[in-house]
Amino acid sequence: GIQVEQSPPDLILQEGANSTLRCNFSDSVNNLQWFHQNPWGQLINLFYIPSGTKQNGRLSATTVATERYSLLYISSSQTTDSGVYFCAVSYNFNKFYFGSGTKLNVKP
Amino acid sequence: DADVTQTPRNRITKTGKRIMLECSQTKGHDRMYWYRQDPGLGLRLIYYSFDVKDINKGEISDGYSVSRQAQAKFSLSLESAIPNQTALYFCATSLAGVQGEQFFGPGTRLTVL
Repeated sequence: GIQVEQSPPDLILQEGANSTLRCNFSDSVNNLQWFHQNPWGQLINLFYIPSGTKQNGRLSATTVATERYSLLYISSSQTTDSGVYFCAVSYNFNKFYFGSGTKLNVKP
Repeated sequence: DADVTQTPRNRITKTGKRIMLECSQTKGHDRMYWYRQDPGLGLRLIYYSFDVKDINKGEISDGYSVSRQAQAKFSLSLESAIPNQTALYFCATSLAGVQGEQFFGPGTRLTVL
């Protein structure tokens, strides 16, 4: 299967700081999603971004499929951004493979 | 109402018991998936179904079975639960093809004593 590595595994930020989360994958993909898992366990869709750049408020994401990585940017972080961020990929829209996540803790 | 629902949301059971987790969706998606999440880890695929007659094993299907009763319903069974099946279980749905974004249910927290 496709190997997905996320970095850093843990991140502590002061409220208002910016951060970049990275997702590397081992093979060609044509489907990539970013999720936020909140402290209650719910998975929230952030971006569906097999290639290119998208922005949604304080969050943006970029996927460079030819170089096998994606980046999630969080600007002006808030305590509500805390949780775990997952990257998931698939090839030909079959099985999806998840990374182990980046655990973010934003301190007030 | 939520597009993808799971029942029960929490379940405590004993070793050796049979248990069924149910998933329903109103998104009209053909594809449905079951994942499990262990503490500190990402999600791993148990089974997936591309339509009612198409069911496939994922990475960790041993000890599990599934049934796709209708386009909107996909259930996961643990025939004889064991403690290392204690985990958070998620159902997901997606369209086929280039619109294959996945959408997840709220999860079922299962504890096997």
